[in-house]
Amino acid sequence: QVQLQESGPGLVKPSETLSLTCTVSGGPIQPYYWSWIRQSPGKGLEWIGYVYYTGVVNYNPSFTSRLTISLDRPKNQFTLKLRSVTAADAAIYFCARDYRGEYFDSWGQGSLVTVSS
Amino acid sequence: SYVLTQPPSVSVAPGQTATLTCGGDNIGSKRVNWYQQKPGQAPVVVIYNDGERPSGVPERFSGFNVRDPATLTISGVEAGDEADYYCQVWQSSTDERIFGSGTKLIVL
Repeated sequence: QVQLQESGPGLVKPSETLSLTCTVSGGPIQPYYWSWIRQSPGKGLEWIGYVYYTGVVNYNPSFTSRLTISLDRPKNQFTLKLRSVTAADAAIYFCARDYRGEYFDSWGQGSLVTVSS
Repeated sequence: SYVLTQPPSVSVAPGQTATLTCGGDNIGSKRVNWYQQKPGQAPVVVIYNDGERPSGVPERFSGFNVRDPATLTISGVEAGDEADYYCQVWQSSTDERIFGSGTKLIVL
């Protein structure tokens, strides 16, 4: 059974770059989509973007100008980089497998990111 | 962009049936997924493609999507069903994944 695990700093300073990595184990990267989803404190889920196993990406328009999602196939990892963060970017960040682009069938446990100087 | 509307909360007594709704423009033309999220945990899909149930999800969970709104029905509600439930669709025109605002199911 595939497992996903987020990793990265739990604290980021305002205006800096938030970087998280999701490591996939127990299953292949292909032929899936791999997404990042976040949840602000006490709020709902917000899809951030995906990277396809081919490296093709698609982003939520709300993040396009400051977002990069990339894939490292040899390492079975994909990475989120969100630039110029503000307090509004504080959230739990989940990585998830996007099964055939239809639904999210596997999720990481989530990584809490705080934005503070 | 496409908006999914869910009521903030639904209350139901144990053993009764809970019906959660998810409204959206022409939602019947989309495939709706439903996720259950308990406090401190990641979401888990309970219904996908309108009415398909992943293995391990009790038959008490069912989904229906022919016209607005789409519905998730939980029959014989148990205390353990208390959670937040999110609907989600794929917006084909932009290839975005859209979530509803979520409904907190309260078991009285």
